[in-house]
Amino acid sequence: SSELTQDPAVSVALGQTVRITCQGDSLRSYYASWYQQKPGQAPVLVIHGKNDRPSGIPDRFSGSSSGNTASLTITGAQAEDEADYYCNCRDSSGNRVFGGGTKLTVL
Amino acid sequence: EVQLVESGGVLVQPGGSLRLSCAASGFTFSTSSMNWVRQAPGKGLEWVSYISSSSTTTYYADSVKGRFTISRDNAKNSLYLQMNSLSDEDTAVYYCARETYYYDTRGGWYFDLWGRGTLVIVSS
Repeated sequence: SSELTQDPAVSVALGQTVRITCQGDSLRSYYASWYQQKPGQAPVLVIHGKNDRPSGIPDRFSGSSSGNTASLTITGAQAEDEADYYCNCRDSSGNRVFGGGTKLTVL
Repeated sequence: EVQLVESGGVLVQPGGSLRLSCAASGFTFSTSSMNWVRQAPGKGLEWVSYISSSSTTTYYADSVKGRFTISRDNAKNSLYLQMNSLSDEDTAVYYCARETYYYDTRGGWYFDLWGRGTLVIVSS
């Protein structure tokens, strides 16, 4: 199955912009989805499709894609955005693959 | 209320078997594709298995293929995961997740509803 690669950790100053990336061959063919997970909680969908946010997700979260890379951008990061972020994408075999996750620290 | 509630997680010995359940409510389960996703302690998310709404299509991660079986009962609004030949590497919180499909210029699949998870510990 295909792999999705994420940076293990990223930090951002409060109020600044941060981009979290996800790389993999399947991203050339299919959209990624992005999930936020805080300690002890279930994951929450934050971005899917071209750049769609579920109801209740702040508009500071946005998504984009180019070639084999999908990106999650947080514009004006807040303290409550500190969490683990995972990308996910289907591969050509039908498997749904997660990236290894990125731990976001808001300084 | 729209929700998924997992159950069945326990302490089980290596080599043992276990059946997890996921009860769905508040939405039309019979038209929803479903997945199991797990998370080992301190580790990232790992997709485990997928089942289509009518059970005609299933997929499994290589790590569980041949040992785990996903199934569903649309009359009972329930999803299941039969786990056999368990090892300590299967220790994890197991989540059930509803999947939605989206298409414009390309396809996208996403998990828009998650349960709280059930903990499976494989240990002697």
